[in-house]
Amino acid sequence: AQSVAQPEDQVNVAEGNPLTVKCTYSVSGNPYLFWYVQYPNRGLQFLLKYITGDNLVKGSYGFEAEFNKSQTSFHLKKPSALVSDSALYFCAVRARGSYIPTFGRGTSLIVHP
Amino acid sequence: KAGVTQTPRYLIKTRGQQVTLSCSPISGHRSVSWYQQTPGQGLQFLFEYFSETQRNKGNFPGRFSGRQFSNSRSEMNVSTLELGDSALYLCASRAWNGGLSDTQYFGPGTRLTVL
Repeated sequence: AQSVAQPEDQVNVAEGNPLTVKCTYSVSGNPYLFWYVQYPNRGLQFLLKYITGDNLVKGSYGFEAEFNKSQTSFHLKKPSALVSDSALYFCAVRARGSYIPTFGRGTSLIVHP
Repeated sequence: KAGVTQTPRYLIKTRGQQVTLSCSPISGHRSVSWYQQTPGQGLQFLFEYFSETQRNKGNFPGRFSGRQFSNSRSEMNVSTLELGDSALYLCASRAWNGGLSDTQYFGPGTRLTVL
C-alpha cells in the first residue's frame, strides 16, 4: 500500500522569506512523486514531479522539491515566497507499476505581506 | 493546447436524484480519471478510463459509475444521491503512452451540492 503524509495543515510565511511545505511518503520500491497546487474553487495545477535521477527537481513558478530516499521525503521549497503563492498544496505518490496516485490531505500555505 | 474541461461547474440536486458530470480531456490524452474531493476525506480516486474501458477503480459504491466515449470524453454518473455526495468532483487526463510516469492534468472541477 502507498501513503502520503503532509504533517502541517497550515504553513505561514512572510513575503520574501523562503518557504517549505513538507511531504513524507510510504511506498514499495521507488516512487513517482508529484506536487500540485489548488487555488480556491479551482482544480489541481501540476507543479513538478520526481521520476528518477537528480534529487532536486525544479518546477513551475520558482518552486523546487528535494527527493530524499533515506528519509522518504519530498519537501516543496521556494527561496522567496509571494503573496500570490497562497493556496492549498498537495503531495502525491505513485508506486512504479501502479497507475493510481495517492494524495496527501493538503497543506494550506499562507503568505503574509 | 486547451486544458481539461468539465461541465457543469456547479450543480444543485436533491437527495434521491441522479446526476451526470462531463469531462473533456486534453487533446491527445487517452486516459481520464475521476476524483472526489471533500474537506473531510481529501482527494479520493473514483475510477480511470482508457479506450472506453474502466482500467482502475477506487473504493466507492456502485452508485458511482462512469463511461468513456471513442473521442476520450468521459461522463460520471451518481445515482440515488445522498447528502454525503456533496463534493468537488475533479477530472484528470493523461497521455497513457505506456509510461507510468505520465502526469495527470486536472480540470477545474464540478461542485455538486446535494440538498
